[in-house]
Amino acid sequence: AQRVTQPEKLLSVFKGAPVELKCNYSYSGSPELFWYVQYSRQRLQLLLRHISRESIKGFTADLNKGETSFHLKKPFAQEEDSAMYYCALSPQGGYNKLIFGAGTRLAVHP
Amino acid sequence: GAGVSQSPRYKVTKRGQDVALRCDPISGHVSLYWYRQALGQGPEFLTYFNYEAQQDKSGLPNDRFSAERPEGSISTLTIQRTEQRDSAMYRCASSPRVAGEIQDTQYFGPGTRLTVL
Repeated sequence: AQRVTQPEKLLSVFKGAPVELKCNYSYSGSPELFWYVQYSRQRLQLLLRHISRESIKGFTADLNKGETSFHLKKPFAQEEDSAMYYCALSPQGGYNKLIFGAGTRLAVHP
Repeated sequence: GAGVSQSPRYKVTKRGQDVALRCDPISGHVSLYWYRQALGQGPEFLTYFNYEAQQDKSGLPNDRFSAERPEGSISTLTIQRTEQRDSAMYRCASSPRVAGEIQDTQYFGPGTRLTVL
């Protein structure tokens, strides 16, 4: 079965602290992995994707096929990072649907 | 330019009524997707289109749900004989290209919050 698990519903940190949002997936092939973010009163938007191997707003994520994980990390959290974060998987072969995790709310306190 | 738009933004209806939710994708975008998001959950895939062709409707929960995109632009998701369990946020997304080997970025609309009383 294709599944994305985000074990934490809420992650609360102080400004300047490191952040790691966990994401594990279940898929037999080679999926594409994504992180989407929804800031307050805004629409869901792409944050980053594993094939780009880029850092967006200081966030990075590495695909670990051995552990089937795609954790999102940032060394120093900012208050503006507070948002809902969703990990998503797209099955290989151009099958375009996204399978989302339940999401983790990140709260960064001053 | 304008992003994906959805209407209505909020819809309250009584059990048993039919509802039609509209999605207007980004101009020129080929693919269009519908997702449903229950409270506390992530978006759940319902169906998607390339141009006017419905490519996959495996996520539609039952035959009360249908979607169309007759001219390859605006899409309508219709729920017949609504039930309380249909209450959710319904999200639409579009992407520029036909599905290929690489997943295209999906651009989401603001969603329609449906409440069935």
